[in-house]
Amino acid sequence: EAGVVQSPRYKIIEKKQPVAFWCNPISGHNTLYWYRQNLGQGPELLIRYENEEAVDDSQLPKDRFSAERLKGVDSTLKIQPAELGDSAVYLCASSPGTAYEETQYFGPGTRLLVL
Amino acid sequence: SQQGEEDPQALSIQEGENATMNCSYKTSINNLQWYRQNSGRGLVHLILIRSNEREKHSGRLRVTLDTSKKSSSLLITASRAADTASYFCAALMDSNYQLIWGAGTKLIIKP
Repeated sequence: EAGVVQSPRYKIIEKKQPVAFWCNPISGHNTLYWYRQNLGQGPELLIRYENEEAVDDSQLPKDRFSAERLKGVDSTLKIQPAELGDSAVYLCASSPGTAYEETQYFGPGTRLLVL
Repeated sequence: SQQGEEDPQALSIQEGENATMNCSYKTSINNLQWYRQNSGRGLVHLILIRSNEREKHSGRLRVTLDTSKKSSSLLITASRAADTASYFCAALMDSNYQLIWGAGTKLIIKP
């Protein structure tokens, strides 16, 4: 079974530029998560989808971040414009059902560097 | 942002020794999960313990949960070089069903 796929793996951009990350969850997984992880810290949830619906986006900086999950499968996270403080690893995870009681399966992440 | 707390921040032991790391949280939880992260495999789920459980085992892993002290511990027995990684706890809060992550313990196993 293929795991969670993310692309790109690395991205270097200048501040004020836009950037987008793509995630393909494990087939059949209903719930998809986007996290941001800063160096030396644990992941911080940005947004959680149950199928196509964003059920928790309270931590998403909506002035510059946006996300979508069309058809309840793939998802895209966008930052526009990027700031220096956005440098981090962006992780995508998925789980089979719609509850946190279940195991989350993580992708390898996209490492973003904003110059 | 909210974070659980883990200690120690870093731990270095000899191969074959046992490693113990601790996690504390602040509010009532539904469950607590432990994950491992290394550069090769990313974040991987290790074990989940529910709030009504006190101890759980999985291979060389033993997790305990003390809800009265709002703390959990992860014990890795007979450590191996491959156990070198960062270990994170994540607590599912009862109040708002958010998963709160700790900052992690960096474990180094010396050969």
